Amino acid sequence: GAVVSQHPSRVICKSGTSVKIECRSLDFQATTMFWYRQFPKKSLMLMATSNEGSKATYEQGVEKDKFLINHASLTLSTLTVTSAHPEDSSFYICSARATSGYTDTQYFGPGTRLTVL
Amino acid sequence: GENVEQHPSTLSVQEGDSAVIKCTYSDSASNYFPWYKQELGKRPQLIIDIRSNVGEKKDQRIAVTLNKTAKHFSLHITETQPEDSAVYFCAATFKTIFGAGTRLFVKA
Repeated sequence: GAVVSQHPSRVICKSGTSVKIECRSLDFQATTMFWYRQFPKKSLMLMATSNEGSKATYEQGVEKDKFLINHASLTLSTLTVTSAHPEDSSFYICSARATSGYTDTQYFGPGTRLTVL
Repeated sequence: GENVEQHPSTLSVQEGDSAVIKCTYSDSASNYFPWYKQELGKRPQLIIDIRSNVGEKKDQRIAVTLNKTAKHFSLHITETQPEDSAVYFCAATFKTIFGAGTRLFVKA
């Protein structure tokens, strides 16, 4: 149980285009999803917290107009990188929190590697 | 906001030895402390977690200790094996702020 999928796994796009990444909780409902960005050999940097049915909460320094997050249902959150530039190239990982009684465990998606040419 | 510091950044041990990774956190309201293992190119996998009302938790070769007064918690891996080689991240709080990670090398 507690599987999180992410699509696409890899995407290459031209500078100036927008890219949408989907994060789905497959066998549980996730009221909260998180979006992280990871640079090579670095830790996961929290970008934003997404709650179903409400606006995402962005971390300091993350442009909300650049990284659009939508959490339309209890099983789906999307991250859209708008007008992508080469510096947006990174590994993006989502996670979904399964809150059940005692635990607040987060389960991670497999990640999306974005390359902007 | 929460700040999580993790040490060491790199740890090399002989197979069979123990490995200890330490983290400190800043927000005294933090009450959940998971540890994740990430292999190259893969997603982080939860290996063990602890809540603030518990001081120690063990799962086979892995244990986590928590000192709420000092605001630090540690991961202990005993009888290390080559397949334990990975990057380990500690995290704290409700929205999971990660430490910088520890790259563990287990030499056969």
